[in-house]
Amino acid sequence: EIVMTQSPATLSVSPGERATLSCRASQSVSSNLAWYQQKPGQAPRLLIYGASTRATGIPARFSGSGSGTEFTLTISSLQSEDFAIYSCQQYNNWPGTFGQGTKVETK
Amino acid sequence: EVQLVESGGGLVQPGGSLRLSCAASGFTFTDNWMHWVRQAPGKGLVWVSRVSSDGTGTDYADSLRGRFTISRDNAKNMLFLQMNSLRAEDTAVYYCVRETTRSGNYFDYWGQGTLATVSS
Repeated sequence: EIVMTQSPATLSVSPGERATLSCRASQSVSSNLAWYQQKPGQAPRLLIYGASTRATGIPARFSGSGSGTEFTLTISSLQSEDFAIYSCQQYNNWPGTFGQGTKVETK
Repeated sequence: EVQLVESGGGLVQPGGSLRLSCAASGFTFTDNWMHWVRQAPGKGLVWVSRVSSDGTGTDYADSLRGRFTISRDNAKNMLFLQMNSLRAEDTAVYYCVRETTRSGNYFDYWGQGTLATVSS
C-alpha cells in the first residue's frame, strides 16, 4: 500500500497570503493524484485531479503541481472560505490512499 | 445538482451492527461506481469499500472483509453499507462517495457523512 505523507500538519496563514501544501508518496504515483478540501460539517470537495487539473467550479487561485512522488497544492491568495483541511489521495495503485491532511488556519 | 445524503449512523455497542444508507440524486446513478470512505476522529480518510455501477462487483479494505457488505439499489438510487461485528476502531464518520466517470479512481462528489460510534 502506498503511504501518502502531507506536510505541514498545520499551516498558519494570513488572509491574502500564499499557502503551499506538500504531499509525498512512498513510491511513484505518476500524475494520479487528487486534492480534496474539507470543512467542518460539510461534504469534502474535489479540488484537483491528475495532479494539476482543477475540478469544475474550483477558483483559479488553487493550483496543483508535481508528479512521481512529490506534489504541491498552492493557494495563491487565501480567502476566508479557504481555511479548511486539505487532503491528497493517490489513485495510481489500488486501493487509493489518502494523506493525513493539512489544516490551514488563520494566522 | 449532485447530492449524496447519508443516514443510519448512531451509537452501537461493540459486536453490534449498523446499516448505513446513502440517497443519491442529481445524476444518473447507474453511470457510476460508488464507494464508502471513513474518517476516524482526528485521523485521515480511509477507503472502505466500493460497488460497481450494476452492483455485481464489490471490493473491501482487507481489514474489513467479512464484516462489512456494500450493496446498491439502482431502482431507488440508494447505496448501503451493512456493518457487522463492530469494534471500537470502526468509530468514524462514513462518507458516501461517487467515483468519477473520467479515467482514474478519484472521487468527484462526497456526502456530508454519518457518524457511527461503537462504544459500550
